[in-house]
Amino acid sequence: QKEVEQDPGPLSVPEGAIVSLNCTYSNSAFQYFMWYRQYSRKGPELLMYTYSSGNKEDGRFTAQVDKSSKYISLFIRDSQPSDSATYLCASPGTSYDKVIFGPGTSLSVIP
Amino acid sequence: NAGVTQTPKFQVLKTGQSMTLQCAQDMNHNSMYWYRQDPGMGLRLIYYSASEGTTDKGEVPNGYNVSRLNKREFSLRLESAAPSQTSVYFCASSGGDRVYNEQFFGPGTRLTVL
Repeated sequence: QKEVEQDPGPLSVPEGAIVSLNCTYSNSAFQYFMWYRQYSRKGPELLMYTYSSGNKEDGRFTAQVDKSSKYISLFIRDSQPSDSATYLCASPGTSYDKVIFGPGTSLSVIP
Repeated sequence: NAGVTQTPKFQVLKTGQSMTLQCAQDMNHNSMYWYRQDPGMGLRLIYYSASEGTTDKGEVPNGYNVSRLNKREFSLRLESAAPSQTSVYFCASSGGDRVYNEQFFGPGTRLTVL
């Protein structure tokens, strides 16, 4: 079992839709969770990080962690074509010298 | 600042050939990483270097070697390339000043082994 799992998609939504991207993790000791965004033929870039449980909001993006179910979510409001990318959830796990990445979910926002 | 740079951007090899992928960062980061990215598999860690002079194996080290030449540079060598090593290779660095270990990625090298 991979330590961080996510549905690879692809996910296709119309412009303006609310998007929900989801991940699960296996180790209840994980504390930090990140979302990276990767545009086509580019390297990933950090979008947001959260600590432990709860929500964190940044503009149109909200990251949510539910530790009881070991579930991580990223919500995108008023989605734009520029949001079309692959979104990878990640965690430094328990060692903090490495980062564990999920396989990524490919998102297309159609104008 | 250029951030993380990688050379070459593209490479085609024949089975059995060798090559070295170069990576450099100008952010004075201590840690550097090599990943490969394959469809459906996500980013898999090949090797990493927590500081100058140290290297450690990641999830998929077989068939690869690395050298941390100095604080800025971290190279990845394929001694005898195999078709299974066809992939996109990313180098990343991390300053270690964020507990969540933010990684800064290069643009990637697309490698095809025939």
